[in-house]
Amino acid sequence: SQQGEEDPQALSIQEGENATMNCSYKTSINNLQWYRQNSGRGLVHLILIRSNEREKHSGRLRVTLDTSKKSSSLLITASRAADTASYFCATDAGGNEKLTFGTGTRLTIIP
Amino acid sequence: NAGVTQTPKFQVLKTGQSMTLQCAQDMNHEYMSWYRQDPGMGLRLIHYSVGAGITDQGEVPNGYNVSRSTTEDFPLRLLSAAPSQTSVYFCASSYGQTNEKLFFGSGTQLSVL
Repeated sequence: SQQGEEDPQALSIQEGENATMNCSYKTSINNLQWYRQNSGRGLVHLILIRSNEREKHSGRLRVTLDTSKKSSSLLITASRAADTASYFCATDAGGNEKLTFGTGTRLTIIP
Repeated sequence: NAGVTQTPKFQVLKTGQSMTLQCAQDMNHEYMSWYRQDPGMGLRLIHYSVGAGITDQGEVPNGYNVSRSTTEDFPLRLLSAAPSQTSVYFCASSYGQTNEKLFFGSGTQLSVL
């Protein structure tokens, strides 16, 4: 079964708007990562947040982690057409050698 | 640096055939792994390795073999291909022996008829 589940499954917004996607997981983690996948390509690491962190920023990305609710959110501010991609959360609930991915959120930015 | 290189990019097999998917990285990463990606199911871990000579099973290892004779290479072998193995396969590596910040290859699209 999937450890991480992203919500929503698909999201379409106008360019310039903010995009928020959520990830819920089932068991305790040491860290949670977010990846981006452009169509037909491999995944690209975006950001890692550790279990003792509540918020992290990287450029236009903001990630939050609530371990009490076993959830994380990824906010992309001032979206661009190039942000069109699928976004996956991944957790290390199986140990730091096994990274488990969710099913992803497909984000479409409308120019 | 080329990063993580996967070959071939596309492959069509008949049921029962065997083949090896190649993966090489030039970043001196200790950790390497294989995932398969199927529609609606995200990525599922097949096998992983924390260093040369060390391999272990992931979530869906049946039907696949791996070996890690060098730090650079981590081939994935399909022993007897089945239609259920039709998927996109990704190899990934990371620094150290953990899976923090994975670098992914561009994938191999495999069809088993």
